[in-house]
Amino acid sequence: EADIYQTPRYLVIGTGKKITLECSQTMGHDKMYWYQQDPGMELHLIHYSYGVNSTEKGDLSSESTVSRIRTEHFPLTLESARPSHTSQYLCASSAQNRAGANVLTFGAGSRLTVL
Amino acid sequence: QKEVEQNSGPLSVPEGAIASLNCTYSDRVSQSFFWYRQYSGKSPELIMSIYSNGDKEDGRFTAQLNKASQYVSLLIRDSQPSDSATYLCAVMNRDDKIIFGKGTRLHILP
Repeated sequence: EADIYQTPRYLVIGTGKKITLECSQTMGHDKMYWYQQDPGMELHLIHYSYGVNSTEKGDLSSESTVSRIRTEHFPLTLESARPSHTSQYLCASSAQNRAGANVLTFGAGSRLTVL
Repeated sequence: QKEVEQNSGPLSVPEGAIASLNCTYSDRVSQSFFWYRQYSGKSPELIMSIYSNGDKEDGRFTAQLNKASQYVSLLIRDSQPSDSATYLCAVMNRDDKIIFGKGTRLHILP
């Protein structure tokens, strides 16, 4: 069972509300990621972090923001949710294996619906 | 050109047959390649990783890598209905980011 936890699993919220999606991992991984995935579509990297106080934007532009104050915690925030933000948000973490590659472990995801 | 390209399918394969899934990538310096399986409504889970040219076998799964052709594939032998899922090819690019393809939907026909 993966040691990466996301809450809430499902969230339905009205336009204009502020939301925070939580992601925590207990594996001590330095690298953490947020991917966005619409149903039946590909995963898009929206944010990543290589350690505490390090955050970078991914390949898909997103109005969300992230923070990395503690190694185990990588929350994603939307200041004012809109229907276009409706999607599944997947958090992942990784550590380098012996081959030097980052192998991702995913959380269960947070499915956001903005009305 | 997208960084990682896959045929979206669906690919239908009879139970017991070999399923062959293909992926090409654009960044010639990529060194790490992954296959993830994603069931509908679930998160991706790692099936195989491969870093060197050639074949890597794990049970019913074989990953194949050809860096000269920038091509990576996944073979599933003795396909089972439980193998029906979307298979995601992922590549670690020169910036150490993991980039995913769109995925190939695989249907195993009983």
